[in-house]
Amino acid sequence: GDSVTQMEGPVTLSEEAFLTINCTYTATGYPSLFWYVQYPGEGLQLLLKATKADDKGSNKGFEATYRKETTSFHLEKGSVQVSDSAVYFCALSEGNTGKLIFGQGTTLQVKP
Amino acid sequence: DTAVSQTPKYLVTQMGNDKSIKCEQNLGHDTMYWYKQDSKKFLKIMFSYNNKELIINETVPNRFSPKSPDKAHLNLHINSLELGDSAVYFCASSRGGGQYNEQFFGPGTRLTVL
Repeated sequence: GDSVTQMEGPVTLSEEAFLTINCTYTATGYPSLFWYVQYPGEGLQLLLKATKADDKGSNKGFEATYRKETTSFHLEKGSVQVSDSAVYFCALSEGNTGKLIFGQGTTLQVKP
Repeated sequence: DTAVSQTPKYLVTQMGNDKSIKCEQNLGHDTMYWYKQDSKKFLKIMFSYNNKELIINETVPNRFSPKSPDKAHLNLHINSLELGDSAVYFCASSRGGGQYNEQFFGPGTRLTVL
């Protein structure tokens, strides 16, 4: 079945460092890909999405490109802030049910 | 105004009890979902409803029963609670159930079974 694999966390960075969180997926068809962020004690918020190959999703300085050839959707940010500390989830959705399949989440901690 | 709200936020109960979690969305969406987040933060879908009709029913024990009285509400009733039911339960909604639609999540209900 479909699945999503994210890099193990936690990831600890200093403020203004470059961030990459790796995400790869397995799917039978052509899924949509998402990054959700969960701040402490809160629900998930959509960070960005891409619905077809080579699409780039971007929001709040974060970006990710849908790479079909490598089945990847890596999250990047050029300069992280302390306020970016959160858990980041890569997810895919395929078909007409809207079912989201999540990766295991990656905790990011940014230190001043 | 909160887009997707859940009550209660925290629920502590004894094994064997029956409890309900309520979810309401004011976004005018027609599809709603329940997800379970375990202690390692892994998220897995449990159910989804579209216009009050059950669309997704993952391999969830019969003790869990969702109910959608109207398309703005999706409640989760759990019978005979077990220790393994301790988790954070998230409700979500979307405009339509397709793969392109953003899901909006509630703040979660942390269930602790003692």
